[in-house]
Amino acid sequence: GQNIDQPTEMTATEGAIVQINCTYQTSGFNGLFWYQQHAGEAPTFLSYNVLDGLEEKGRFSSFLSRSKGYSYLLLKELQMKDSASYLCAGMDSNYQLIWGAGTKLIIKP
Amino acid sequence: GAVVSQHPSRVICKSGTSVKIECRSLDFQATTMFWYRQFPKKSLMLMATSNEGSKATYEQGVEKDKFLINHASLTLSTLTVTSAHPEDSSFYICSAKGTDDLNTEAFFGQGTRLTVV
Repeated sequence: GQNIDQPTEMTATEGAIVQINCTYQTSGFNGLFWYQQHAGEAPTFLSYNVLDGLEEKGRFSSFLSRSKGYSYLLLKELQMKDSASYLCAGMDSNYQLIWGAGTKLIIKP
Repeated sequence: GAVVSQHPSRVICKSGTSVKIECRSLDFQATTMFWYRQFPKKSLMLMATSNEGSKATYEQGVEKDKFLINHASLTLSTLTVTSAHPEDSSFYICSAKGTDDLNTEAFFGQGTRLTVV
């Protein structure tokens, strides 16, 4: 079956770095997405990885290892506004997104 | 990035009535639109996938006669919740994908919070 696993909740300190892990099992693979979702709002796109390696975009970076079925989202210089849920989604061979349950990130001062 | 506009953002309706939610891609042509439902503290649940000009494909367990989806043009898809009941109260989100590349990100609408009283 298809499955996306990520931690339910994480806590980090303002100004610090946090890494949110995601493991995936999909029928075929056409990329791995990360979205940010603030409470009561729709998700917003953060990153897309389809090749192995690290993609850096400002304070956020995303890593993919296809052989391990593993990705992580790295957030640096955390700000209070980064408190949100982070959703990992794998795209299968039919170009459908398989969603994880989301990781709620709590930032403390 | 591309813009997807979803309307209305909030709606309250009485039990038994129908509610229509619109999803528009404002600056690109969306061959595929997805409709999701999200329960509190839960992940997004895909309800159906619609391709322009054809019938929507519904996920298992989603009643197609209750959740009517129409994707009449490359810029507009609608979800109509028919004969709404309180258990239909939820956050509904649409997303749209362009025509250029199947691997492109899906752009999300703002979401619609439906409350059935």
